Amino acid sequence: KQEVTQIPAALSVPEGENLVLNCSFTDSAIYNLQWFRQDPGKGLTSLLLIQSSQREQTSGRLNASLDKSSGRSTLYIAASQPGDSATYLCAVRPTGANSKLTFGKGITLSVRP
Amino acid sequence: GAVVSQHPSRVICKSGTSVKIECRSLDFQATTMFWYRQFPKQSLMLMATSNEGSKATYEQGVEKDKFLINHASLTLSTLTVTSAHPEDSSFYICSARLRGNTGELFFGEGSRLTVL
Repeated sequence: KQEVTQIPAALSVPEGENLVLNCSFTDSAIYNLQWFRQDPGKGLTSLLLIQSSQREQTSGRLNASLDKSSGRSTLYIAASQPGDSATYLCAVRPTGANSKLTFGKGITLSVRP
Repeated sequence: GAVVSQHPSRVICKSGTSVKIECRSLDFQATTMFWYRQFPKQSLMLMATSNEGSKATYEQGVEKDKFLINHASLTLSTLTVTSAHPEDSSFYICSARLRGNTGELFFGEGSRLTVL
């Protein structure tokens, strides 16, 4: 059974800092991995999707990497801003036609002005 | 990215009534939609997978007679919480899978249900 872990559960950094959010998973037989952002009381916003054959994806100040063999993904946020404060979740989709995502519990990020 | 609309965003109802939540994919067709439930400060718990034109597949422990799911078209899935009770109060989120190779998942804004 796939397990997805995100540690730490919460993180507080000063504005402008570059930071890395970690995600680890136990089963490397994945189809893709997706990073989401969730603001309080809201749904999830898709940030980046990495296919199993890819090593990284970039969007603006965000860069996500994937190392399937070690079961790890990182989300790098450059020059953090207070508006980046949110909960960041990673989710892994296993191989298989009707496979379902397994979510981590998320990392709640607070960027202090 | 693709847009998934969920309605209503908030609903308050009396115990014993039924509540319907709609999930629409606005600019793409979704053969598969997923319904999740989220408890405070917890991650998402998958309730069921909704397939267009067929019966939903429920996760273990989720009562299908309690949470009725209908996926009548490629752009609409509905979740009906029947005979709601206070313990059904929660945040319900739907998602739709984009067709094609990426299989990227897009989420609605969520619906906060409060049962009095």
